[in-house]
Amino acid sequence: RKEVEQDPGPFNVPEGATVAFNCTYSNSASQSFFWYRQDCRKEPKLLMSVYSSGNEDGRFTAQLNRASQYISLLIRDSKLSDSATYLCVVRSGGSNYKLTFGKGTLLTVNP
Amino acid sequence: EAGVTQFPSHSVIEKGQTVTLRCDPISGHDNLYWYRRVMGKEIKFLLHFVKESKQDESGMPNNRFLAERTGGTYSTLKVQPAELEDSGVYFCASSQNAGGAFFGQGTRLTVV
Repeated sequence: RKEVEQDPGPFNVPEGATVAFNCTYSNSASQSFFWYRQDCRKEPKLLMSVYSSGNEDGRFTAQLNRASQYISLLIRDSKLSDSATYLCVVRSGGSNYKLTFGKGTLLTVNP
Repeated sequence: EAGVTQFPSHSVIEKGQTVTLRCDPISGHDNLYWYRRVMGKEIKFLLHFVKESKQDESGMPNNRFLAERTGGTYSTLKVQPAELEDSGVYFCASSQNAGGAFFGQGTRLTVV
C-alpha cells in the first residue's frame, strides 16, 4: 500500500462547481498534513495545512479524520484559476520532517 | 523576502557526465530537503538536512548521488556519473519548523 493515496482523477468541472479531493495515508504516526497545488511545470506551493478540527480558507475547506487516516479538500465555487494538480502531503512525526507526497489529482475548471 | 532558489533551471547532459545542482534555502531555515519527480510518478523524498547535518538520506537512490550543505546555508546535489533514469525535476525545499515546506522552482535534468 502506498504511503499516501489520492483520487487518480483527472477532474473536469464547470466554473462554479464544488469539487472534493480525497486522500488516505498509511502511517498512523503521521503528525502533520497539508494540501499543495502545483501548476504545470511549476513547483508545488503550499495551499493550506490541515488541522484535526478542520479548517477553512475562503472557498477552500480541509478536513482530517485521524481514526480513518483520511484527509479531504473541498473547493467551492471553483474558478478557472483553480485549475492545477492538487497534492496531498503528509509529514512524519518526531524530529524527522520528511514530507511524503501523493501522486496528485489534476483539476481542470472549464468556462 | 527571497524564496528558495535553485540553479540551474534546466540541464541537459550526456550519460556518464557529472552535474551539480545548487539550492539556496530561505534565509534562516534550518531544514533543507531535496525531492525528485520522475515523469509520471509522484514527488519522492531524497534527503533532509538540519543545518549542515544529514538528518535522513533514506531516499537517495544510490551512491552516484552526493548531497552537501557546508556551513548550513546553501546545498549542492551532485550526480556522478549520470544515468538516463536520473532524468526528472529536482526540487529543493526549506522550512523553519514542522510547518509546510517552501519549494524552489526546480531543476529540470535531462540525461541523454
